[in-house]
Amino acid sequence: EDKVVQSPLSLVVHEGDTVTLNCSYEVTNFRSLLWYKQEKKAPTFLFMLTSSGIEKKSGRLSSILDKKELFSILNITATQTGDSAVYLCAVGANSGYALNFGKGTSLLVTP
Amino acid sequence: NAGVTQTPKFRVLKTGQSMTLLCAQDMNHEYMYWYRQDPGMGLRLIHYSVGEGTTAKGEVPDGYNVSRLKKQNFLLGLESAAPSQTSVYFCASSYTSPLPLTDTQYFGPGTRLTVL
Repeated sequence: EDKVVQSPLSLVVHEGDTVTLNCSYEVTNFRSLLWYKQEKKAPTFLFMLTSSGIEKKSGRLSSILDKKELFSILNITATQTGDSAVYLCAVGANSGYALNFGKGTSLLVTP
Repeated sequence: NAGVTQTPKFRVLKTGQSMTLLCAQDMNHEYMYWYRQDPGMGLRLIHYSVGEGTTAKGEVPDGYNVSRLKKQNFLLGLESAAPSQTSVYFCASSYTSPLPLTDTQYFGPGTRLTVL
């Protein structure tokens, strides 16, 4: 059975801290790994990763994939209160069209 | 571009009542999806469609039906609502090709459904 596990489940940090969110997966015929940010409403797309070792970056957010060890990390540097959200990891497989989502990491950034 | 829209935003039903949730997208996406999100469970796929006139079951299809009569619309129906269907429902859509771009799904704002 395909599985996507995120850790930690929740995290509280102070503004300015750097955080690392983890996503490990066991998926047959891996195709892609995606990160989404969810702030009370719709998940919004952050990154899609398909190749190992290639960092994707957008402002203070970055992510990298390790296909050998079957995990990805999402880094947020110099956190701001606006980064408070649930971060979702999802994996796509060549066996179908659906994404397999993890349960998410709830991040709270305090002033 | 409105992206993905969902109606209604909120709904309260009594057990046994029926309703239809409407999802519309203006991005000309072929693929559309319905998910439910419950506390501690993450997003789970209910049904999906890979084109007009096609539908397929996802992870948790029981108690739901769907229809894709027009490319831009994807309807989710509950024929006889149960309290276990209390949830937040999200619709999503994605590109047709090439792989793996089809994995980038764009989500609607959600419908919060309570079944009493």
